Amino acid sequence: QVQLVESGGGLVKPGGSLRISCAASGFMFSDYYMTWVRQAPGKGLEWVSHITSSGDIKVYADSVRGRFTISRDNAKNSLSLQMNSLRAEDTATYYCARWGYSVYFDYWGQGALVTVSS
Amino acid sequence: EIVMTQSPDTLSVSPGERATLFCRASQSVRSNLAWYQQKPGQAPRLLIHDASTRATGIPARFSGSGSGTEFTLTISSLQSEDFAVYYCQQYKKWPPLTFGGGTKVEIK
Repeated sequence: QVQLVESGGGLVKPGGSLRISCAASGFMFSDYYMTWVRQAPGKGLEWVSHITSSGDIKVYADSVRGRFTISRDNAKNSLSLQMNSLRAEDTATYYCARWGYSVYFDYWGQGALVTVSS
Repeated sequence: EIVMTQSPDTLSVSPGERATLFCRASQSVRSNLAWYQQKPGQAPRLLIHDASTRATGIPARFSGSGSGTEFTLTISSLQSEDFAVYYCQQYKKWPPLTFGGGTKVEIK
């Protein structure tokens, strides 16, 4: 069955960096676009970034462009999000999710909590 | 950016009753709309895509309707496991992909 498992969350100081990852299994990872969606504590969902199946196109929300970098390793069935210049407002649970046949998300990981605080 | 507005913020419903949730888009998204369910401490789960197509494994008591700017998610007979927060998401015009603020369905 499809599984997405995030890792790498934690506490980081403002201005710091963190890399979170998502290990995929149960499907042909290299065939699918992937995305990151975040959710601040007690708040709604916010799309962050997505990447095409080959990794050649990456798109970002305005709120993270220039600070976050999405990447994938199809040989390792892995998706990553490198987060630099972190701010308090980046505090959230970060979910990796798989695109369905269109731009909706049919499978989600359990989330990685990122806390930005001094 | 397309703004998605959900109503009501909270819906109090008794088990076995019908629940109707609304989602409005600031401009037409045609049928490019999905609904998700999120329970406390869990990831969202896809319920409906293309406004009215149930995702794999979703019970028939969940149905979606609408097109353009007005959408509805109906749960025909609420079960205990349906009490959760529900989000709509448009994918007609992006980036950015945008979600509604959510409707919490609680036990009356």
